[in-house]
Amino acid sequence: DQQVKQNSPSLSVQEGRISILNCDYTNSMFDYFLWYKKYPAEGPTFLISISSIKDKNEDGRFTVFLNKSAKHLSLHIVPSQPGDSAVYFCAASDTSGTYKYIFGTGTRLKVLA
Amino acid sequence: DVKVTQSSRYLVKRTGEKVFLECVQDMDHENMFWYRQDPGLGLRLIYFSYDVKMKEKGDIPEGYSVSREKKERFSLILESASTNQTSMYLCASSPLMGGTFSYEQYFGPGTRLTVT
Repeated sequence: DQQVKQNSPSLSVQEGRISILNCDYTNSMFDYFLWYKKYPAEGPTFLISISSIKDKNEDGRFTVFLNKSAKHLSLHIVPSQPGDSAVYFCAASDTSGTYKYIFGTGTRLKVLA
Repeated sequence: DVKVTQSSRYLVKRTGEKVFLECVQDMDHENMFWYRQDPGLGLRLIYFSYDVKMKEKGDIPEGYSVSREKKERFSLILESASTNQTSMYLCASSPLMGGTFSYEQYFGPGTRLTVT
């Protein structure tokens, strides 16, 4: 049972345009969400996070939106740059009692120059 | 700067061998994790540890064990390697912040293990 889903395995975007990566979850107990970026042959690096008490968090070119009623979050990258080409994972956690994160399957973003 | 290192980037082992994957972090983090990453399946948690000598099973612990004798080191052990354990293995660590769980994990570069 996939509790965190990234339904788009890949996405291509022109440089300078907006990239929107989506993530859906099923567990209503999840209250903290993160996005990681992963380059080939490297470990994932933390990008941005959001708590369920917020619906938006912004950090430079990266903004994460959370829609709790739809159990949906999205990562917006504006403007997209070729260096953003990577695999993006969303992750969710129920922070009330465990140390566990549930990761999505990842979306490969390709930013075309 | 947080650094998580893994003993090998690439490893080739034979079926039935005992395999040790080592992970070391240099930031005095309490929590450490082992994941495997497979195409189309994302990152799946194998085991985690929130303190020395403490461990808990993740989502796919079968065929694996772990050891945490020192705070900075977390080892993943494949008791008898099988071909379905061919994968990318990622170690991560995170601190406890003020007694509450810290939500950001720092990952090592990964070990690509091939079992033939």
